[in-house]
Amino acid sequence: AQTVTQSQPEMSVQEAETVTLSCTYDTSESDYYLFWYKQPPSRQMILVIRQEAYKQQNATENRFSVNFQKAAKSFSLKISDSQLGDAAMYFCAYRSPTYGNKLVFGAGTILRVKS
Amino acid sequence: DAGVIQSPRHEVTEMGQEVTLRCKPISGHDYLFWYRQTMMRGLELLIYFNNNVPIDDSGMPEDRFSAKMPNASFSTLKIQPSEPRDSAVYFCASRAASNHTQYFGPGTRLTVL
Repeated sequence: AQTVTQSQPEMSVQEAETVTLSCTYDTSESDYYLFWYKQPPSRQMILVIRQEAYKQQNATENRFSVNFQKAAKSFSLKISDSQLGDAAMYFCAYRSPTYGNKLVFGAGTILRVKS
Repeated sequence: DAGVIQSPRHEVTEMGQEVTLRCKPISGHDYLFWYRQTMMRGLELLIYFNNNVPIDDSGMPEDRFSAKMPNASFSTLKIQPSEPRDSAVYFCASRAASNHTQYFGPGTRLTVL
């Protein structure tokens, strides 16, 4: 079974600075999908970025980018120019194309942004 | 376009009562998912549907939980009888067959006293 590990329960960053959230996963599959979701205090789960494992190029969405290391099974999220609105819980998630549509989530990382 | 809609947003009930949570997926989406979020267990998939048919309900905790999808635009998750340990945030999500991304509703916070 696939597992997703987020080893940082909590992180802090100064406004306008850069922060990296870590995620590792365990799988025997070669093709899969990885996601980062943001959950602000409103509880809404918001997609931040996604990566297809067959793509070598790291995904980027404005201030958000990933460092996808397939061999190391690592999928970190970098947030540049951090803003107060980035404060939230961030979840890393894995989806297997083989075992249906199940999203396996990590435990989450709380990101605090200091002004 | 409207996102995934869930109702109610908050539900407080007493142990033993029946609870029904509702979800309207994004129009045109083929898959619908029910998740539960708790502090102890994080986010867990309870059940998902494809074209209104339940595909995998292995995450449903016990027989007190049931889910239906009578048509493409509506699903319910029912708990009968409810227990305090069912207190959690329940999310509904949907996705299109052509898209790998699941879109989540705002969640229903359930409190069972």
